[in-house]
Amino acid sequence: EAEVAQSPRYKITEKSQAVAFWCDPISGHATLYWYRQILGQGPELLVQFQDESVVDDSQLPKDRFSAERLKGVDSTLKIQPAELGDSAMYLCASSPLAGTGELFFGEGSRLTVL
Amino acid sequence: AQSVTQLGSHVSVSEGALVLLRCNYSSSVPPYLFWYVQYPNQGLQLLLKYTSAATLVKGINGFEAEFKKSETSFHLTKPSAHMSDAAEYFCAVSESNFGNEKLTFGTGTRLTIIP
Repeated sequence: EAEVAQSPRYKITEKSQAVAFWCDPISGHATLYWYRQILGQGPELLVQFQDESVVDDSQLPKDRFSAERLKGVDSTLKIQPAELGDSAMYLCASSPLAGTGELFFGEGSRLTVL
Repeated sequence: AQSVTQLGSHVSVSEGALVLLRCNYSSSVPPYLFWYVQYPNQGLQLLLKYTSAATLVKGINGFEAEFKKSETSFHLTKPSAHMSDAAEYFCAVSESNFGNEKLTFGTGTRLTIIP
């Protein structure tokens, strides 16, 4: 069964350092999402791509976060510089262009900022 | 704007007892509704979804949910809890525009099963 791949699974970094997360969606899925999930809360959308274009990045802290999906396939989410409050699970999800509203999630990347 | 409210951040039930997790939604258009389950340090897995077909939706692992428009609710139930059901459950709503799905999640309910 096809899955959304994410790496790394766990990342520990010091504040002010740069960190990057990678996501490879299910093959053929045009839409890719990055969500942030703070411990004890539900996931919140950071950025949504359709193919290589950003559809929604209204909740992305653009002073320190960036996301790209250059060829419309895999994607990278970067944080620079990391802050203590960025400690969270970063979830990637994908969906097909003509789907039924279901998102398929990866296992997530857990970030700890010290 | 769409939103969901999950009543009860923690629910405990005895093994074999009924599981009831509550979700109310707000949406300006007919919504699509979802329940996802999350095990520790893992991503989210779809349990079931309502997409304007039958109002009673059956999902995996014996879970089901009923869409009630008059009550704006989409509560999740399971007749008999199993130890393996212990996890975090999230209700989500989408004002779906095919190809532009955007899920808004609730804050989650942690389900504990008492042996």
